[in-house]
Amino acid sequence: SAVISQKPSRDICQRGTSLTIQCQVDSQVTMMFWYRQQPGQSLTLIATANQGSEATYESGFVIDKFPISRPNLTFSTLTVSNLSPEDSSIYLCSVGRLETYEQYFGPGTRLTVT
Amino acid sequence: KQEVTQIPAALSVPEGENLVLNCSFTDSAIYNLQWFRQDPGKGLTSLLLIQSSQREQTSGRLNASLDKSSGRSTLYIAASQPGDSATYLCAVTWGTGNQFYFGTGTSLTVIP
Repeated sequence: SAVISQKPSRDICQRGTSLTIQCQVDSQVTMMFWYRQQPGQSLTLIATANQGSEATYESGFVIDKFPISRPNLTFSTLTVSNLSPEDSSIYLCSVGRLETYEQYFGPGTRLTVT
Repeated sequence: KQEVTQIPAALSVPEGENLVLNCSFTDSAIYNLQWFRQDPGKGLTSLLLIQSSQREQTSGRLNASLDKSSGRSTLYIAASQPGDSATYLCAVTWGTGNQFYFGTGTSLTVIP
């Protein structure tokens, strides 16, 4: 398994601002992912964070709104830009084992946009 | 279209009861299926991973089974305890692009 930490654990932000979420893993991992969980909903994959190259975004998510960095094999950031109340969600990072695709999740970041 | 469905959406049982949570998926050609637990406002804790070649996995009071031909997985919880109260999510990957598809979850309440 992997130990994953996220910062911040929660934040309240004003409309129009941005929030950057950090994800740190205790070991080097190839696969790293960012998910969104809207209130009362299940998880939706935002993007796969690729080390040394641009992230791969899922349908409905764009780089301008959700820029992602992956400078090395243990760290990634997700920025949620130009915040609106609809962005209020829990954002989770996860890592995957290459051999089995088993995923491990961080504790999540709860974002509230006012 | 690849989808994952969980029924029921909510379940309430008295302490000590055995229970079964259901997960259904379209397209039987899955790569693996993973069960998670999520406590309110928290991240996900991995419970069990079943790879496509396996039929079941066990961990303590938990047993997960997989029937690819019928597109179903069940999570069996024996002798439920109040501490088992949480939302249980199943997630499936078909092994293409690492995409995990999550069900909407079953909210379990175990009444002391």
